[in-house]
Amino acid sequence: DAGVIQSPRHEVTEMGQEVTLRCKPISGHNSLFWYRQTMMRGLELLIYFNNNVPIDDSGMPEDRFSAKMPNASFSTLKIQPSEPRDSAVYFCASSFGLAADTQYFGPGTRLTVL
Amino acid sequence: RKEVEQDPGPFNVPEGATVAFNCTYSNSASQSFFWYRQDCRKEPKLLMSVYSSGNEDGRFTAQLNRASQYISLLIRDSKLSDSATYLCVVNMDSSYKLIFGSGTRLLVRP
Repeated sequence: DAGVIQSPRHEVTEMGQEVTLRCKPISGHNSLFWYRQTMMRGLELLIYFNNNVPIDDSGMPEDRFSAKMPNASFSTLKIQPSEPRDSAVYFCASSFGLAADTQYFGPGTRLTVL
Repeated sequence: RKEVEQDPGPFNVPEGATVAFNCTYSNSASQSFFWYRQDCRKEPKLLMSVYSSGNEDGRFTAQLNRASQYISLLIRDSKLSDSATYLCVVNMDSSYKLIFGSGTRLLVRP
């Protein structure tokens, strides 16, 4: 079975540019999470969707960040405009139901903003 | 105080050694506890859940001490392939939100 799929795997962009990260959750999973991981702050939850509806976006750092989930098999995380401090690894994870112990992570997108 | 605290390590041990990691959490109302493993430049993966009675999976043993608010992971007979970062994870209210520790790095040398 395919796991969580993320694209691109690596992204290098210049400050001020728009960045769009993509995620395809595991088929049948109805919860989707976007995380950010940095050396300084570790793994942080940015936003959580359940049945395609954003439930908790309290972790989204600021208005430059937005996330959508138009259907059960696709989600995007957009940063506009990007800044160097956004450089991090962004993970998408999915799970079935509300059980917290079954989150499956994608391989991540390593973002570098110059 | 961080919600979940871990010693960052690294723990540098020879093959065959036994190594233990501890993790403390701040919220006494925390409901569920887990250890995730993250290899270098890879995604986190669930290693094992931590139950009140303690649980064992092969060479790995996890224990929970609610009174002292800490979780432990014991690895026996360390293998080179055990080299990774081990993330302590706590769920506060049995819903979706996981709080990740910053991880403990383990290096197993030949």
